[in-house]
Amino acid sequence: DAGVIQSPRHEVTEMGQEVTLRCKPISGHNSLFWYRQTMMRGLELLIYFNNNVPIDDSGMPEDRFSAKMPNASFSTLKIQPSEPRDSAVYFCASSLETGGFGELFFGEGSRLTVL
Amino acid sequence: KNEVEQSPQNLTAQEGEFITINCSYSVGISALHWLQQHPGGGIVSLFMLSSGKKKHGRLIATINIQEKHSSLHITASHPRDSAVYICAVRGGGSNYKLTFGKGTLLTVNP
Repeated sequence: DAGVIQSPRHEVTEMGQEVTLRCKPISGHNSLFWYRQTMMRGLELLIYFNNNVPIDDSGMPEDRFSAKMPNASFSTLKIQPSEPRDSAVYFCASSLETGGFGELFFGEGSRLTVL
Repeated sequence: KNEVEQSPQNLTAQEGEFITINCSYSVGISALHWLQQHPGGGIVSLFMLSSGKKKHGRLIATINIQEKHSSLHITASHPRDSAVYICAVRGGGSNYKLTFGKGTLLTVNP
């Protein structure tokens, strides 16, 4: 298996622009997580999907952030409008077990820079 | 909320040395993860354990549930082991959320 695939790997955009990050989890995995990593705050959970259904989005910082999982093989994280403080590395991770109890498999991350 | 403390924060070693990174947490957990992140790179899951000890190649992870403590050992360290090692714990019950440590930056010099 190719592992968790994220795109783009790097994104540089200007403040106010819409940003869409994409994730393809490992086939057959039932849990999908979006994390954000910054120097100041480390890794933070943004949202958790179980069987394509959002279970916990309490980590999504503001209404500017939204995430979808239209099917088992694809998820998006959208920021609209983007702000400089959104600059971070965004990781997608998937897990085989329902409820996210199992081992986590992370993607390579999407490094976002908002100017 | 679980507090996760890692030590040391930074560690420099010579190639071939035995490395130990420690992780302590404050509240009972259902599982503990050790993650590896190379500079500018992705995150790789090294171990997930809830008791005892696991070994993979030159890496060994142990956990003592009673003492709320885990260690990650690297035998015969190599420069390619240079990375940030992150401890993360999952609470008991149905808590899927991980609490992350701040990470330990390991540098192995040739």
